[in-house]
Amino acid sequence: KNQVEQSPQSLIILEGKNCTLQCNYTVSPFSNLRWYKQDTGRGPVSLTIMTFSENTKSNGRYTATLDADTKQSSLHITASQLSDSASYICVVSAEYGGATNKLIFGTGTLLAVQP
Amino acid sequence: DGGITQSPKYLFRKEGQNVTLSCEQNLNHDAMYWYRQDPGQGLRLIYYSQIVNDFQKGDIAEGYSVSREKKESFPLTVTSAQKNPTAFYLCASSISVVGETQYFGPGTRLLVL
Repeated sequence: KNQVEQSPQSLIILEGKNCTLQCNYTVSPFSNLRWYKQDTGRGPVSLTIMTFSENTKSNGRYTATLDADTKQSSLHITASQLSDSASYICVVSAEYGGATNKLIFGTGTLLAVQP
Repeated sequence: DGGITQSPKYLFRKEGQNVTLSCEQNLNHDAMYWYRQDPGQGLRLIYYSQIVNDFQKGDIAEGYSVSREKKESFPLTVTSAQKNPTAFYLCASSISVVGETQYFGPGTRLLVL
């Protein structure tokens, strides 16, 4: 069964600190993995996308890693800011014969950055 | 200003009533999607459309209907057959359904009176 599991469910950190969010997946056939940021009451916004051959991708203070062998990904946030408070969703894409791809969404990690 | 718009932001439904959620995009994307988001669950796909006048059921299509008469528009109707409609509804679009990043609208929160 295709699944995406994220940990922790929620996290509180102080402004300026770093944090790492985890994503484990059992999705086949794997196509790519994305991290999205979703502010409360808003739609998700894409942060990074990685294919099978990529193991690191950065977007400003956000750095995503991918280990396709262990089927794990992480999102590292450096020097956190209050505006980083949001839900972070890991999304894995399974591609079936090039006709369509299916997205499997994790339940998200809710991050709260406190001053 | 390009993007995806959804309206209304909040919608209230009475028992037995059908309601329609609007989704418009000016990104010239072929593919559009409707998702439902419930607390503690990942987004679940309701319907998607690869091209005008074509749409396919997603994982939880029962109690919902859609149309795709124009490339820019993909309205979702929540029918009275949907017994638990309270949720946050997200519309998305992408260039195509194969491997492309999906861009999401701001969402509509549906509440039952």
